[in-house]
Amino acid sequence: QLQLQESGPGLVKPSETLSLTCTVSGGSISSSSSYYWGCIRQPPGKGLEWIGSIYYSGTTYYNPSLKSRVTISVDTSKNQFSLKLSSVTAADTAVYYCATYTTSSGFDYWGQGTLVTVSS
Amino acid sequence: QSVLTQPPSVSGAPGQRVTISCTGSSSNIGAGYDVHWYQQLPGTAPKLLIYGNSNRPSGVPDRFSGSKSGTSASLAITGLQAEDETDYYCQSYDSSLNTWVFGGGTKLTVL
Repeated sequence: QLQLQESGPGLVKPSETLSLTCTVSGGSISSSSSYYWGCIRQPPGKGLEWIGSIYYSGTTYYNPSLKSRVTISVDTSKNQFSLKLSSVTAADTAVYYCATYTTSSGFDYWGQGTLVTVSS
Repeated sequence: QSVLTQPPSVSGAPGQRVTISCTGSSSNIGAGYDVHWYQQLPGTAPKLLIYGNSNRPSGVPDRFSGSKSGTSASLAITGLQAEDETDYYCQSYDSSLNTWVFGGGTKLTVL
């Protein structure tokens, strides 16, 4: 049973870079060929938005609306993957979730989520 | 404006049956991509409720069912219970946008 845990600063200043780390337990990122490891966000009181995902091979997939600002990477030695979102504004304030995706099963494992507020 | 359209709210009395629609287009649901459904209780992460259009993960009651036809999909909940009162989201893939997409969400109220 996979478990995902988000970690990162809860407050980021406008124009700076938001960094989120997702730690995976119960399975290895490098050997799980079925999974895409990704991030989804939810602004307060609003719906879900897929940010991007990375395959175990390192291939990345980004939401075109965020692509110019997003980088997702994997650290197999720590069994972690990370999100960086640059040039943030108040519109990037949201609960950020780590989640795994399989073609057949959708987003089947989720972290508990972490609220990131963009404010000076 | 979400690529997948859901009604903002639906309601039903305890014991009744309700359905939540998810309307897409020829570049997502109509293109044959699977639809998945999620249930999100207040203050918690979404939970996979239905995958691959109509399959239930282990532990999901059979009161929940999913279907897909053409460019739309539906989530049906029978025998409504108070604990079903929460938010539901559909999700698929869009080949024009090259993104995984979510519906805007539907709030279910149990009267």
